[in-house]
Amino acid sequence: QVQLVESGGGVVQSGRSLTLSCAASGFTFSSHGMHWVRQAPGKGLEWVAVIWYDGTNKYYADSVKGRFTISRDNSKNTLYLQMNSLRAEDTAVYYCARDSSRAGFDLWGRGTLVTVSS
Amino acid sequence: QSVLTQPPSVSGAPGQRVTISCTGSSSNIGAGFDVHWYQQLPGTAPKLLLYGNNDRPSGVPDRFSGSKSGTSASLAITGLQAEDEADYYCQSYDNSLSVNYVFGTGTKVTAL
Repeated sequence: QVQLVESGGGVVQSGRSLTLSCAASGFTFSSHGMHWVRQAPGKGLEWVAVIWYDGTNKYYADSVKGRFTISRDNSKNTLYLQMNSLRAEDTAVYYCARDSSRAGFDLWGRGTLVTVSS
Repeated sequence: QSVLTQPPSVSGAPGQRVTISCTGSSSNIGAGFDVHWYQQLPGTAPKLLLYGNNDRPSGVPDRFSGSKSGTSASLAITGLQAEDEADYYCQSYDNSLSVNYVFGTGTKVTAL
């Protein structure tokens, strides 16, 4: 079925790195831009990054620019988020979401929790 | 930190009409960018509720509707049901920075 499944979350020390994955199935992954969105415990949604359908363009929120890298492998139908120099404020559930081209984020994964400990 | 402001909470009796506002500025909603709405039920991932200001994805009940005017948008739930208790977020695009997809601050809807 059409779905996104995130993985790779866990507990990591401040300053360390972690890579999240998002496996897509049931649709043509290579036709869609993809986003990462996060939600700190008890807080609202925060957009993190976007990558164009073909990987040619990538953009980031100011809060993660220079530390996080979004990438994709269309041959594996997988989206990634490389997170370096992690901080306590990066603690959140990270969701991947499909871009439906000016019609919002129309498909979301269940999320993966990242906890940054000091 | 969010550039789209929503009331923290709204409530109503079952069957009533409730509305949620989403106030932006001239660099996002006021610039003509579409507003989308998401529903997040307790303990679950967000789900697209409305797109393009007032269009419903397949399966979304028609008691949910949206509108946009100037620098603001709103979501209306006509005939509130207990199952509508959730957090609701508006989302748009802001051209004041490099590339910025922005979410509203979120509103918790409670059926009394």
